[in-house]
Amino acid sequence: QVQLVQSGAEVKKPGSSVKVSCKASGGTFSSYTISWVRQAPGQGLEWMGRIIPILGIANYAQKFQGRVTITADKSTSTAYMELSSLRSEDTAVYYCAVWRGGPLDYWGQGTLVTVSS
Amino acid sequence: QSVLTQPPSVSAAPGQKVTISCSGSSSNIGNNYVSWYQQLPGTAPKLLIYDNNKRPSGIPDRFSGSKSGTSATLGITGLQTGDEADYYCGTWDSSLSAGRWVFGGGTKLTVL
Repeated sequence: QVQLVQSGAEVKKPGSSVKVSCKASGGTFSSYTISWVRQAPGQGLEWMGRIIPILGIANYAQKFQGRVTITADKSTSTAYMELSSLRSEDTAVYYCAVWRGGPLDYWGQGTLVTVSS
Repeated sequence: QSVLTQPPSVSAAPGQKVTISCSGSSSNIGNNYVSWYQQLPGTAPKLLIYDNNKRPSGIPDRFSGSKSGTSATLGITGLQTGDEADYYCGTWDSSLSAGRWVFGGGTKLTVL
């Protein structure tokens, strides 16, 4: 049973960056992929990208290329998602989720990022 | 605009059955397993069905999944008020070089 605990809510100014963390426990961090999914208020789920911690390789959805960076620290079993050049449309709940080649089977509790001047 | 297409809403009475459809293409549903997620108000999505029709431990058999071609369906029988939630289908899409995970737009289930 994998548990993912995310960092707390953030309020950011337009143009700034935010970095959200996702700490995993109860599994072998290096054996799975961490995906990041966001959900704008009242909207559906949107996949942002993923990282394979054991390789340190990330790939991103085209929409976020150049603005998002996903990293992982194997020593602390923690993944990070950094989104830059924030705008109001980036206001959303950001989730991390475990992917072991099948479904996204474990999810973090979500982190609300509010972008407001 | 979501890559996978779901009806925005469905409704049924307690005890009844409901189905939720999810339509895609050969680059996603047609060649990959489909999973379904339940999102109760104010909570994170939870895996409900994986590999088209399998249930994780703890998910009651009132929930079922199926797939045919480029479409998938979630079925819920014996509806309960606690089933009121948003339901999302998801799968891998290989239309781009690196691939991507795609979701349906979500279906809001109301138990009348």
